[in-house]
Amino acid sequence: GNSVTQMEGPVTLSEEAFLTINCTYTATGYPSLFWYVQYPGEGLQLLLKATKADDKGSNKGFEATYRKETTSFHLEKGSVQVSDSAVYFCALTTGGATNKLIFGTGTLLAVQP
Amino acid sequence: KAGVTQTPRYLIKTRGQQVTLSCSPISGHRSVSWYQQTPGQGLQFLFEYFSETQRNKGNFPGRFSGRQFSNSRSEMNVSTLELGDSALYLCASSWGQLGSTNYGYTFGSGTRLTVV
Repeated sequence: GNSVTQMEGPVTLSEEAFLTINCTYTATGYPSLFWYVQYPGEGLQLLLKATKADDKGSNKGFEATYRKETTSFHLEKGSVQVSDSAVYFCALTTGGATNKLIFGTGTLLAVQP
Repeated sequence: KAGVTQTPRYLIKTRGQQVTLSCSPISGHRSVSWYQQTPGQGLQFLFEYFSETQRNKGNFPGRFSGRQFSNSRSEMNVSTLELGDSALYLCASSWGQLGSTNYGYTFGSGTRLTVV
């Protein structure tokens, strides 16, 4: 079946450090891929997405490239801020008759000043 | 454009009771899906409604049910509550065609249910 695997957290970084959160997936067909962020006590906010192979999603300094050959969608940011501290979820959907999101387990990011 | 609205934000119920949660999707969105988030199981899909019909269902017992109204608003109901039903329940509305650049999901802030 379809699944998403994320790197275990927590990830602790100093402000202005480079961030990578790994995400790999298993899916039939051609999924769309997403990164969501969840701040404490809140719901999920869409961070970025990619709908086909080689697409690069980007938002607020975060980037992720849809790599079909490695079935990966790693999240990166060149310089993290304290305000980026949150839980990050990688997710996929194959849509159509199975229009649902399948999430990874989430990765807690803690950025220290 | 208003976002996805979930009510109430917080609920405390007793074991054995039932509860109804509400979700109003973004105007024009016809698909509404529900997710349960717990520390142990993470984010799990409950069900999806499209044009008042349940289109997909996750692996949850029959105590979990839902419906969608003609204005796309959705409700989910949990009967005979158990302690393990304590969770954050998230609703999402989706739009666009899969594969298109405008395809995606928007989530509400969730309803935090505590069963005591």
